[in-house]
Amino acid sequence: DSGVTQTPKHLITATGQRVTLRCSPRSGDLSVYWYQQSLDQGLQFLIHYYNGEERAKGNILERFSAQQFPDLHSELNLSSLELGDSALYFCASKGAANSPLHFGNGTRLTVT
Amino acid sequence: QQQVKQSPQSLIVQKGGISIINCAYENTAFDYFPWYQQFPGKGPALLIAIRPDVSEKKEGRFTISFNKSAKQFSLHIMDSQPGDSATYFCAASDHSNYQLIWGAGTKLIIKP
Repeated sequence: DSGVTQTPKHLITATGQRVTLRCSPRSGDLSVYWYQQSLDQGLQFLIHYYNGEERAKGNILERFSAQQFPDLHSELNLSSLELGDSALYFCASKGAANSPLHFGNGTRLTVT
Repeated sequence: QQQVKQSPQSLIVQKGGISIINCAYENTAFDYFPWYQQFPGKGPALLIAIRPDVSEKKEGRFTISFNKSAKQFSLHIMDSQPGDSATYFCAASDHSNYQLIWGAGTKLIIKP
């Protein structure tokens, strides 16, 4: 168990809808990262937050947004969903800058 | 160049054999090279990592070989077991921002 909790585990929704994915990082970890993994594909970095502030953006669509709250949990909001947004969405956290990333088990999003 | 190129995309090895996955990078500022292991339905987990001050690091049946001049590093799995069947990702980062740059992944299947 990595200590990173993601909810929900599965989400099925229709095109055009909006969903929110939630991540609780490991206790004490200030950094939260979001990744997208399409079927049998690699990890696409979306965004990084550190202690509530956005630190880096990757290939995140304008329809997607994220935030990190004062209790350090993070949410990824996906809106105007398209079929191509169907993927696994992972959250990862880490403590010190040079420490390993710890991943949650992901949220599987299916857009129908 | 920020890319990390990983090969092969997929690999089938007989039980007891040696599995070898290779990665190459361009950015000479990279100074941290981890390998992550991902089982189906789970998030990636750190397997082993190396820094460029050593040419090899071994942890049990897993070894990273690092060639600084060639800008390549590889993962060797000795005495491969069916339980090693997973997707393996290499990555690299430098100490300016510790942002991991990921390889595309290798799907490893160990045949009994």
